[in-house]
Amino acid sequence: AQKVTQAQTEISVVEKEDVTLDCVYETRDTTYYLFWYKQPPSGELVFLIRRNSFDEQNEISGRYSWNFQKSTSSFNFTITASQVVDSAVYFCALSKGTSGSRLTFGEGTQLTVNP
Amino acid sequence: EADIYQTPRYLVIGTGKKITLECSQTMGHDKMYWYQQDPGMELHLIHYSYGVNSTEKGDLSSESTVSRIRTEHFPLTLESARPSHTSQYLCASSEYAGTRSYEQYFGPGTRLTVT
Repeated sequence: AQKVTQAQTEISVVEKEDVTLDCVYETRDTTYYLFWYKQPPSGELVFLIRRNSFDEQNEISGRYSWNFQKSTSSFNFTITASQVVDSAVYFCALSKGTSGSRLTFGEGTQLTVNP
Repeated sequence: EADIYQTPRYLVIGTGKKITLECSQTMGHDKMYWYQQDPGMELHLIHYSYGVNSTEKGDLSSESTVSRIRTEHFPLTLESARPSHTSQYLCASSEYAGTRSYEQYFGPGTRLTVT
């Protein structure tokens, strides 16, 4: 069975602070995919990144960066110099690599960036 | 930018009414999904489809039904709405190419309130 845990239910920071959102996953598959989605107050989920289990390279996209570590089954997400517009619920998700793209979502982390 | 649409965006309806939530995508994706999400909570898969005339129940038991007569259209129907159906319903789609797993693109959601 697959499981995704986002232990941080809510995080509150002040603008320009760096913030890291944690994600720990469980799977017995050797091939799998990990994702991060952002859900702003409007409700729509916005895809941020996909990472496959064979690619442990960290990735940086602007103020966003992701740290994938298979040894600790973690896929953490860091926002550098946070902005008020980053306020949203962020979901980490996992899918099997061999049976299509059903996603198992974590519980989500509510990030509030205060001015 | 993903092209997936949901209507209505908001719906308030009385108990016992039959409702259909519409979802359409213009990306030619094979796979489509319906998720149920209470505010700020994790997403639960209730239905999915691999293609035309293919529908499957998801991880969360639901009293709703779905159909997939056309690739681009995946409506969800509640025959008799109840207050327990009050929630947000999110539709998503993704490609399906053998063993590869693609990210899901989400619609804006329908916020349903049953009184």
